[in-house]
Amino acid sequence: QKEVEQNSGPLSVPEGAIASLNCTYSDRGSQSFFWYRQYSGKSPELIMFIYSNGDKEDGRFTAQLNKASQYVSLLIRDSQPSDSATYLCAVMDSGTYKYIFGTGTRLKVLA
Amino acid sequence: DTEVTQTPKHLVMGMTNKKSLKCEQHMGHRAMYWYKQKAKKPPELMFVYSYEKLSINESVPSRFSPECPNSSLLNLHLHALQPEDSALYLCASSPNSHTGELFFGEGSRLTVL
Repeated sequence: QKEVEQNSGPLSVPEGAIASLNCTYSDRGSQSFFWYRQYSGKSPELIMFIYSNGDKEDGRFTAQLNKASQYVSLLIRDSQPSDSATYLCAVMDSGTYKYIFGTGTRLKVLA
Repeated sequence: DTEVTQTPKHLVMGMTNKKSLKCEQHMGHRAMYWYKQKAKKPPELMFVYSYEKLSINESVPSRFSPECPNSSLLNLHLHALQPEDSALYLCASSPNSHTGELFFGEGSRLTVL
C-alpha cells in the first residue's frame, strides 16, 4: 500500500514567521505532487502543485520537491492568522493514477 | 470561487430515503471523482469517471450509486444509507484521470438519521 505521511501537528508559528510543512511518500515513481489547504468544515482548496525537482514559488508559498529523498515540503512566508488550517499533501500514484492523500498537518498561526 | 458546483450543500435523510447529490463542472475536465471525508480524516476515494465511464470503484457499498450523464455532470444516488455514512461528500474534477490538478467542489454535508 503506497503511503503519504505528514506530521499531524498542530504546528504553531507566530504571525509573520515562516511555516514549514513536510510530507514524505513511498511511491518512487510518483511524478505529481499537490498541496491543499482545508479550513474546518470546508472543502480542500488547491494551493500549489509541483512536478519537477527543486522549488516552485507562488506569492507567499513555496513548494519544494526532492524526488531522490521522496520528500515534498510547503513553506509559507509571512504567516497570517488566516493561514490557520489543515494542509493536505497529495501524491499521484504512478501505477493507478489515484491521488493519495496524507492525513494533513494542522497549522496554527498565532497573532 | 470553486468551478465545481455541488448541490445540495446540506442534506439530512432517514435510512429508508432515496436522495441524490449533484455535481457540475464547466472546466472541460474529462475526469470526475466522488470522495467521502470524515472529520479530521483525509478525503477517501469512492469513484472515478474518466470520459464518462466508470474507471475506479473503491469497493463502495451498493447503497451508493454513481452516475455520469455527460462530461459536465456527476451524480451520486443514495439509498438505504446507514448513520455511519454521515460525512462530507466531495466532488472533484481533473483535466484527465492520468494527470493534472484535482479541483474540489464545496462539498455536500450528509447526515443520516
